[in-house]
Amino acid sequence: AQSVTQLDSQVPVFEEAPVELRCNYSSSVSVYLFWYVQYPNQGLQLLLKYLSGSTLVKGINGFEAEFNKSQTSFHLRKPSVHISDTAEYFCAVRDTGFQKLVFGTGTRLLVSP
Amino acid sequence: DAGVIQSPRHEVTEMGQEVTLRCKPISGHNSLFWYRQTMMRGLELLIYFNNNVPIDDSGMPEDRFSAKMPNASFSTLKIQPSEPRDSAVYFCASSSEMGGYTFGSGTRLTVV
Repeated sequence: AQSVTQLDSQVPVFEEAPVELRCNYSSSVSVYLFWYVQYPNQGLQLLLKYLSGSTLVKGINGFEAEFNKSQTSFHLRKPSVHISDTAEYFCAVRDTGFQKLVFGTGTRLLVSP
Repeated sequence: DAGVIQSPRHEVTEMGQEVTLRCKPISGHNSLFWYRQTMMRGLELLIYFNNNVPIDDSGMPEDRFSAKMPNASFSTLKIQPSEPRDSAVYFCASSSEMGGYTFGSGTRLTVV
């Protein structure tokens, strides 16, 4: 069975600084990987996904993530954050043969001026 | 595309009452998922359907919870009787064979 670990429950950062949100997964099979963002009182919105091909994936709002199979990681990065990026970010994994998506516990990104 | 539509957005009910949450998935998506989100437990998968058939309901907390998907465009999650500990945000999501889920805006349930 797959699992996802987001080690950082909260990441404070100043506006215009770079940020990295960490995600590690465990699975014995090939996987698809995702990052979702949840703004207050809203549903989850897909930021980006890795299905196959290039290990560097670009998403919406200037975010990108890199799939590292040897380290079983899929860290999310943004070179310069805005106040509006303050939200909860969830990493998720599913194996290629099944629809069930397993979520991490989330990382709250707090961007301050 | 209107996305995944959930209703109601907010529901306040008294303990012991029946609650029904509704979801309309994206047309063409063949899988539908019900999640519950709380501060204490995060996102929990309750049940999911593939081609209208329940595949995995191991996350349904107890017999008070039931879910149906009578056709490809509609699903319900029912709680009977409701209890204060059921208070949470309930999300519905749908997906196609590949890719991630599209989530609805959620139903915030408060049981008093």
